[in-house]
Amino acid sequence: DTAVSQTPKYLVTQMGNDKSIKCEQNLGHDTMYWYKQDSKKFLKIMFSYNNKELIINETVPNRFSPKSPDKAHLNLHINSLELGDSAVYFCASSPRQGVTGNTIYFGEGSWLTVV
Amino acid sequence: TQLLEQSPQFLSIQEGENLTVYCNSSSVFSSLQWYRQEPGEGPVLLVTVVTGGEVKKLKRLTFQFGDARKDSSLHITAAQPGDTGLYLCAGGEENRDDKIIFGKGTRLHILP
Repeated sequence: DTAVSQTPKYLVTQMGNDKSIKCEQNLGHDTMYWYKQDSKKFLKIMFSYNNKELIINETVPNRFSPKSPDKAHLNLHINSLELGDSAVYFCASSPRQGVTGNTIYFGEGSWLTVV
Repeated sequence: TQLLEQSPQFLSIQEGENLTVYCNSSSVFSSLQWYRQEPGEGPVLLVTVVTGGEVKKLKRLTFQFGDARKDSSLHITAAQPGDTGLYLCAGGEENRDDKIIFGKGTRLHILP
């Protein structure tokens, strides 16, 4: 069974559209994340949630809105898509917040292409 | 400014050779982690180092945390094609352990 699953895996859409990426983890973790990896493979955190509460919001445009209906799900909605939003978006989870002694488990990524 | 600098950015070597990749910072980190990412997949944690000077081994991979906890290295002995991938170092700054920061990675290609 996949630990962190996100859908869709591939998404091609036109500029100006609104799209959502869904993420679910079955590991019982308290913390979930969204990361963006650009074409140069730079992985940057966008959001983190702990027990459905927003913990980190890293200067992401307001067009990006995460939603966590419960601690096993963290969805990402993007309004008015722009060309620069094209990237791979990774959902991830970890048992708790923090780095030391913690392990982040990543999903397989959602490849978003805006045309 | 990139907090974690990784070098080299790209490395292509023959199977059987040894290699070392580096992760450097001017900041002190409470811990550093190394991840490997294969094409089409998410990063997977390889190791976490916590104590300054710590050395950890994972088969042919040796990880070291600098004494001052500002840098780390990954040494691979007798590289194999299966080692090919993107190696990312990541860590939490000493006064901001709640946020993990990733380096830009070293793309390693092992030629058979």
